[in-house]
Amino acid sequence: DQQVKQNSPSLSVQEGRISILNCDYTNSMFDYFLWYKKYPAEGPTFLISISSIKDKNEDGRFTVFLNKSAKHLSLHIVPSQPGDSAVYFCAASSGYSTLTFGKGTMLLVSP
Amino acid sequence: DAGVIQSPRHEVTEMGQEVTLRCKPISGHDYLFWYRQTMMRGLELLIYFNNNVPIDDSGMPEDRFSAKMPNASFSTLKIQPSEPRDSAVYFCASKKGGGVNSNQPQHFGDGTRLSIL
Repeated sequence: DQQVKQNSPSLSVQEGRISILNCDYTNSMFDYFLWYKKYPAEGPTFLISISSIKDKNEDGRFTVFLNKSAKHLSLHIVPSQPGDSAVYFCAASSGYSTLTFGKGTMLLVSP
Repeated sequence: DAGVIQSPRHEVTEMGQEVTLRCKPISGHDYLFWYRQTMMRGLELLIYFNNNVPIDDSGMPEDRFSAKMPNASFSTLKIQPSEPRDSAVYFCASKKGGGVNSNQPQHFGDGTRLSIL
């Protein structure tokens, strides 16, 4: 029973365009959400996070949006660059619990 | 600054052998996590420690799996005996204080790719 779902296994985008990665969750107790980026043969690297008291958090080219009523969050990358090509994991937690990860979305940004 | 260091990076061994994976967390981090990544199940938490004490091992799949953290700078994950279905990438992560769900992110090592023949 997946509590964090990334329904798109892959996404292809052209350089300079916007990449939108989506994540849905089922546990209404989740109150903290993170995105991690992973390159091949490396560990996941923290990218950006958002608390449930916010609906948007921005860091440079990366913005995370949270829609609590829809139990949905998204990561926007603008503009996309070839170096952004990686697997992106959505993760969530509640209270004092540990992180629950989605299965990831592979982003390919072509020149 | 040195990140989380895992060894070995790759391990290939035969079924039935003992496997020991090692992790050195980031200095000053008081939480340590062990994860397993497979195609079927994604990234799943096996166990985590706080101040060297195991807090939650509910993710450990079987008694064949055990983990220790003898001091703040070292942890091991052991599989004995190993089976082909244990083949996966095992990640170690650490984070600094503030509770397991604080706004401090977890920092991951580069993982150990384990293949059991």
